[in-house]
Amino acid sequence: GAVVSQHPSRVICKSGTSVKIECRSLDFQATTMFWYRQFPKKSLMLMATSNEGSKATYEQGVEKDKFLINHASLTLSTLTVTSAHPEDSSFYICSARLALHNEQFFGPGTRLTVL
Amino acid sequence: DQQVKQNSPSLSVQEGRISILNCDYTNSMFDYFLWYKKYPAEGPTFLISISSIKDKNEDGRFTVFLNKSAKHLSLHIVPSQPGDSAVYFCAASNAGGTSYGKLTFGQGTILTVHP
Repeated sequence: GAVVSQHPSRVICKSGTSVKIECRSLDFQATTMFWYRQFPKKSLMLMATSNEGSKATYEQGVEKDKFLINHASLTLSTLTVTSAHPEDSSFYICSARLALHNEQFFGPGTRLTVL
Repeated sequence: DQQVKQNSPSLSVQEGRISILNCDYTNSMFDYFLWYKKYPAEGPTFLISISSIKDKNEDGRFTVFLNKSAKHLSLHIVPSQPGDSAVYFCAASNAGGTSYGKLTFGQGTILTVHP
């Protein structure tokens, strides 16, 4: 099956620093990648949709300058949380979709804790 | 506005019995539905999906039923096994019978299968 990896799996940082999270499709080319955020005991909330070579499309209420997304290749998308604050602490999950394929394949997630 | 709802936060079932997980949606434009299984600190894993042109899809122990008039779908697991214990999310999409579009997730239901 399709494998999606995320790095790092867990990160703790000080308030005001920026954190980069990588999402890679390991055995397929993903034309589209999605970034989700999950709060404890809550649903996965879509933050943005990222297509290779173009700007990401952000969901309403998500600050594009706060959450920078770069989809530089068909196997890599990055999410940078800029000037992180404690309220940004969350579980961030990416997913990737193969071209002409129905399902999204999810990465294992990244636990971000901002002190 | 929660367009996809899983009203049961948890479900406890005896091993060997049937597990029935329910999901309701409000957006009549949704035409493709998926179920994901998620363990703590991991990304969701795709289980089974159904297009709105069908009312049932079966894959091994997993069967998804769709009642469009009631805007309701359910996932049946039979027989239930302790390894099925996880959080189950239903998700919906409105991209021409595919999940090409973004997925809207329910809040999840914690399934516990007792030996």
